[in-house]
Amino acid sequence: GAVVSQHPSRVICKSGTSVKIECRSLDFQATTMFWYRQFPKQSLMLMATSNEGSKATYEQGVEKDKFLINHASLTLSTLTVTSAHPEDSSFYICSAGLAGRMDTQYFGPGTRLTVL
Amino acid sequence: QKEVEQDPGPLSVPEGAIVSLNCTYSNSAFQYFMWYRQYSRKGPELLMYTYSSGNKEDGRFTAQVDKSSKYISLFIRDSQPSDSATYLCAMSAKLTGGGNKLTFGTGTQLKVEL
Repeated sequence: GAVVSQHPSRVICKSGTSVKIECRSLDFQATTMFWYRQFPKQSLMLMATSNEGSKATYEQGVEKDKFLINHASLTLSTLTVTSAHPEDSSFYICSAGLAGRMDTQYFGPGTRLTVL
Repeated sequence: QKEVEQDPGPLSVPEGAIVSLNCTYSNSAFQYFMWYRQYSRKGPELLMYTYSSGNKEDGRFTAQVDKSSKYISLFIRDSQPSDSATYLCAMSAKLTGGGNKLTFGTGTQLKVEL
């Protein structure tokens, strides 16, 4: 149980384009989902917290207009990187908390974004 | 000062060794403590979750929490090459209805050699 999937696993795009990453909880309902980015050999940096049916809460320094988050259902959250630039190249990971047990998170496999 | 400190390693041990991984933290509000294992280019996988001070054992893994010292540990017995990964400690504060933010350590890179 507690499986989280992400799609795509890897994406390469041109500078200026937008990229959408999906995060799904496959066997449980996730009231809250989290989006992280991770640079090589560094820890996870929380970008935003996404609650189903409401606006995401962004961490300080994260541009909400650049990283659009939608959490339309209890099993799906999306992150759209708008007008991507090479500096947005990173490993993006989502996680989800179990409804009724919000003391830990289960992570997706991550999406590697490369912006040319 | 970071809220959570973790030695990044790398830590190299021979197969069969006992591995000790540690984190210290400064925020006394942290109540939930987790250890995640992350293989290269993969998402973190939850290994251990503890709430109170003391030890929790699961197979070859033992998680230890000392809230008075703000210190947590993960012990791996009979380490295997397949244990080679980055180990991240994570912790969170009071439970909230919408889910807790996790604060991560930087991760310790472990290599178990044959």
